[in-house]
Amino acid sequence: AQKITQTQPGMFVQEKEAVTLDCTYDTSDPSYGLFWYKQPSSGEMIFLIYQGSYDQQNATEGRYSLNFQKARKSANLVISASQLGDSAMYFCAMRGENFNKFYFGSGTKLNVKP
Amino acid sequence: EPEVTQTPSHQVTQMGQEVILRCVPISNHLYFYWYRQILGQKVEFLVSFYNNEISEKSEIFDDQFSVERPDGSNFTLKIRSTKLEDSAMYFCASSDHQRQETQYFGPGTRLLVL
Repeated sequence: AQKITQTQPGMFVQEKEAVTLDCTYDTSDPSYGLFWYKQPSSGEMIFLIYQGSYDQQNATEGRYSLNFQKARKSANLVISASQLGDSAMYFCAMRGENFNKFYFGSGTKLNVKP
Repeated sequence: EPEVTQTPSHQVTQMGQEVILRCVPISNHLYFYWYRQILGQKVEFLVSFYNNEISEKSEIFDDQFSVERPDGSNFTLKIRSTKLEDSAMYFCASSDHQRQETQYFGPGTRLLVL
């Protein structure tokens, strides 16, 4: 069975500082993908970053990077130089070997303080 | 930039009524998904759809739910006899063949069952 765990229900970070949002997963599939989505208070889901289980390098997208530690089954999101607009709910998600089913974590609410 | 659209943005219905939630995926995308998010909870996968048939469905997607692609652009989710616990935000998402891992979400339909 697939499982995604986000243990931080809420986080605070000072503007311009970096923050790490934790995500651990469990799967028996030999290949899988890990995602992070941002959900602002307006409700939409915004794709941030993707990491494939066989990717050799950690994914990066602008200020977002994914700290992928396969042996530890963790896929933490690092946001560098936090901005006030980063305040939102962040969801870690996983797809299994087939692309047809996705699993989401419970989310982390990030608050960026000025 | 192309985007997934959903209508209506909000829907209020009486328990036992049928509702149809509509989505227009990004035009060249081939994979379609429905998710729901009960207020304050995580995003839950409902169903995926490819090549005019369901690829995968979750345990939530029981007989009261159905999906259809009635024409080349729309993708619908029908709930036959709504229950109070169906109240949630329903998200449609789509992805293309080249980058199946990147799902683009619509803005969601907030369904309230009274």
